[in-house]
Amino acid sequence: AAGVIQSPRHLIKEKRETATLKCYPIPRHDTVYWYQQGPGQDPQFLISFYEKMQSDKGSIPDRFSAQQFSDYHSELNMSSLELGDSALYFCASSSAGTSGAKGQFFGPGTRLTVL
Amino acid sequence: SQQGEEDPQALSIQEGENATMNCSYKTSINNLQWYRQNSGRGLVHLILIRSNEREKHSGRLRVTLDTSKKSSSLLITASRAADTASYFCATDESGSEKLVFGKGTKLTVNP
Repeated sequence: AAGVIQSPRHLIKEKRETATLKCYPIPRHDTVYWYQQGPGQDPQFLISFYEKMQSDKGSIPDRFSAQQFSDYHSELNMSSLELGDSALYFCASSSAGTSGAKGQFFGPGTRLTVL
Repeated sequence: SQQGEEDPQALSIQEGENATMNCSYKTSINNLQWYRQNSGRGLVHLILIRSNEREKHSGRLRVTLDTSKKSSSLLITASRAADTASYFCATDESGSEKLVFGKGTKLTVNP
């Protein structure tokens, strides 16, 4: 079965650079979620989108922005990167109204390293 | 502060033994989910239990939920070396779909 696709899988950037992470949800899933997982930490919710509109917002820095496109894929844009942004970034997807009933399904993650 | 707190933080057992991990949370929830993560890899959805359910089974997994105590447990029976991973519980608060994760339990199954 098709799963959530994230690209790139690994990304290395310098401080103050920008990065764009992409997420392609499971077909027919219309909700995407972004999470950040620091080394040895649990995942932290950043932001979510339903039908291309932001549906919820967590502890996302102002330097980060995200959007969901007409084909339901989503991009997380990160600017003025800091060393502390080094983390695994996960995207998850679900169908509207079933996130609770059927769960959120996660992609393999993008490992961002900021040097 | 974290919604979920997991106990124990680390667990080491022998193959064939059962492993029990616990999770506590603080607010009212719609559902509680358990995920598995191999070191530095993706999160694999294991099982979801709704707030009106008390127990759920899936293969060698058994999950219980006690909403009065705001706690859940994950039991893995007849463990295998391949079960070695970190296990996280995650809750979605009433009125929200975002997941709040616990700290995770690192399970090591020795062959």
